[in-house]
Amino acid sequence: EVQLVESGGGLVQPGGSLRLSCAASGFTFSSYEMNWVRQAPGKGLEWVSYISSSGSTIYYADSVKGRFTISRDNAKNSLYLQMNSLRAEDTAVYYCARALVDSYGHFDYWGQGTLVTVSS
Amino acid sequence: DIQMTQSPSSLSASVGDRVTITCRASQSISSYLNWYQQKPGKAPKLLIYAASSLQSGVPSRFSGSGSGTDFTLTISSLQPEDFATYYCQQSYSTPVHFGQGTKLEIK
Repeated sequence: EVQLVESGGGLVQPGGSLRLSCAASGFTFSSYEMNWVRQAPGKGLEWVSYISSSGSTIYYADSVKGRFTISRDNAKNSLYLQMNSLRAEDTAVYYCARALVDSYGHFDYWGQGTLVTVSS
Repeated sequence: DIQMTQSPSSLSASVGDRVTITCRASQSISSYLNWYQQKPGKAPKLLIYAASSLQSGVPSRFSGSGSGTDFTLTISSLQPEDFATYYCQQSYSTPVHFGQGTKLEIK
């Protein structure tokens, strides 16, 4: 069974840092591109970041560029998001989602999400 | 960036109705268009990918069509479990923007 399990969310003050993790199981992690998508309370979905299957190609949304860093460890079947200089507008549920290499780039499995709250 | 615009933003319908949701891209995205369903407190679920391909396990009452800039998601006969929010997403180029969502409510 495919599983993506996020962790690491919580309450953090503005300007602080958090590291999110996404543990993958039930599939060959190294064959999939991975993404982080977030959803602010009551709002729509916002793509945050992408990392290729090998980790060699990375993209970020303009809203997080320079503050967030995506990485992966294929040996540990894990995806990460290091979030620095957090702002109130980063408050959201953060989902990890996979996309098969050479597919149409659709996100066929998502984790359950982890809530990040940025507030003093 | 390629922007995605969904319409309507909300929709009231009854069980058994046929419903269509539209998604328009700001430039051509070929068939790189995906549809997701999200229920409150849950992660999004992939329904349709590549504009018209039904994801495994998704009921056949869901269908997608379109190419280029204009796309539609159709639910042929609404079931109680279909009341949710639906999002389109382009995967043609990064950033892979989502539409703003269409909330489907019970009439």
